[in-house]
Amino acid sequence: GQQLNQSPQSMFIQEGEDVSMNCTSSSIFNTWLWYKQDPGEGPVLLIALYKAGELTSNGRLTAQFGITRKDSFLNISASIPSDVGIYFCAGPSNTGKLIFGQGTTLQVKP
Amino acid sequence: KAGVTQTPRYLIKTRGQQVTLSCSPISGHRSVSWYQQTPGQGLQFLFEYFSETQRNKGNFPGRFSGRQFSNSRSEMNVSTLELGDSALYLCASSLAGFSLTDTQYFGPGTRLTVL
Repeated sequence: GQQLNQSPQSMFIQEGEDVSMNCTSSSIFNTWLWYKQDPGEGPVLLIALYKAGELTSNGRLTAQFGITRKDSFLNISASIPSDVGIYFCAGPSNTGKLIFGQGTTLQVKP
Repeated sequence: KAGVTQTPRYLIKTRGQQVTLSCSPISGHRSVSWYQQTPGQGLQFLFEYFSETQRNKGNFPGRFSGRQFSNSRSEMNVSTLELGDSALYLCASSLAGFSLTDTQYFGPGTRLTVL
């Protein structure tokens, strides 16, 4: 079935550093979503991408919909301690279900 | 506007028992989806309900079932619990179900531990 491969699995960075993570698929997606999950909470939608090549920002977060429609990237600039959490990419499968990547766990050292 | 609420937040059961989890969607939302989250498998789709009908289903055994009421509140039931059912169960609501522009809002989840 369709799968989303997310990398890296985890990151441990210094406060102030920039972060990049990506998500790839063997099949084409028409929508890419990026979520963040804080400890003890459900995922919260950060950015939604609907068009190949689209670049969208939300504060210090920037996400891009890959031209091939098989990948997406999320960048966080000037990380701060509250950026800690698990970041998921997600997209609709060809049966309409939302499928998620395995997540990237981000830890920020003050 | 109140968010998605899930009850209970934590639950401990033993193997063979059954459990019912509850989800109240955001007011006005008619679609409710359920997900299982485990460290090994990540977030996996269980099923989606819209207007009291199951509209989509993931690849889980028949021990996992759900329903939706006329007020859009949803319950999911797991019968004959197994150790591997220990997970965070997340509920998400949206206006009309997943589409290109229909955002899903997640609840905080119910943490189920099976002993």
